[in-house]
Amino acid sequence: AQSVTQLDSHVSVSEGTPVLLRCNYSSSYSPSLFWYVQHPNKGLQLLLKYTSAATLVKGINGFEAEFKKSETSFHLTKPSAHMSDAAEYFCVVSDNNAGNMLTFGGGTRLMVKP
Amino acid sequence: ETGVTQTPRHLVMGMTNKKSLKCEQHLGHNAMYWYKQSAKKPLELMFVYNFKEQTENNSVPSRFSPECPNSSHLFLHLHTLQPEDSALYLCASSRHRASGIRVTDTQYFGPGTRLTVL
Repeated sequence: AQSVTQLDSHVSVSEGTPVLLRCNYSSSYSPSLFWYVQHPNKGLQLLLKYTSAATLVKGINGFEAEFKKSETSFHLTKPSAHMSDAAEYFCVVSDNNAGNMLTFGGGTRLMVKP
Repeated sequence: ETGVTQTPRHLVMGMTNKKSLKCEQHLGHNAMYWYKQSAKKPLELMFVYNFKEQTENNSVPSRFSPECPNSSHLFLHLHTLQPEDSALYLCASSRHRASGIRVTDTQYFGPGTRLTVL
């Protein structure tokens, strides 16, 4: 069985300050992990993906995430927030033995203040 | 854009209407998915098709009827819906890997259809 928990439903940061969006997962097997972003009235866009290669994964728009097996975490970070980063972010897990079945977290809404 | 298109983008329908949602992918993928995104709930997988065959039906009520005529097109036929079916319906596609290859394919999402049932 697989599950994912996003620890914060809302995060608010000032423009230019670091972003941290937290995600913990549970997986019976070696997982694949994803972060997707959803801007208002848009579909989900892939930010980055971990598939058992390097534990530090770099994505688009300056985002990165680190896979920490001991902590079962896959937190998303960015050194400096931009106004255009305001959106909802979803952490997603898939057991590699579960085919392509994805389990989504509840989402974290990121607000960026000027 | 991701190469996955959905029409219409917005749909308002009464409970007695019949309508269809359309999804098309231009990525050469063989797997397609329907998801439901409701307010304050995680994304819910509804249906999965691999090579035009339905491989997953996640206990979806029969008032939702999917159709996959080919690996590029996916439809969701709607009839006698309820107001609680109002949601954003997202389509996604991915490559289909042979079994035994232990990496999950990336799914690429369309922009969604915002459905309101009156």
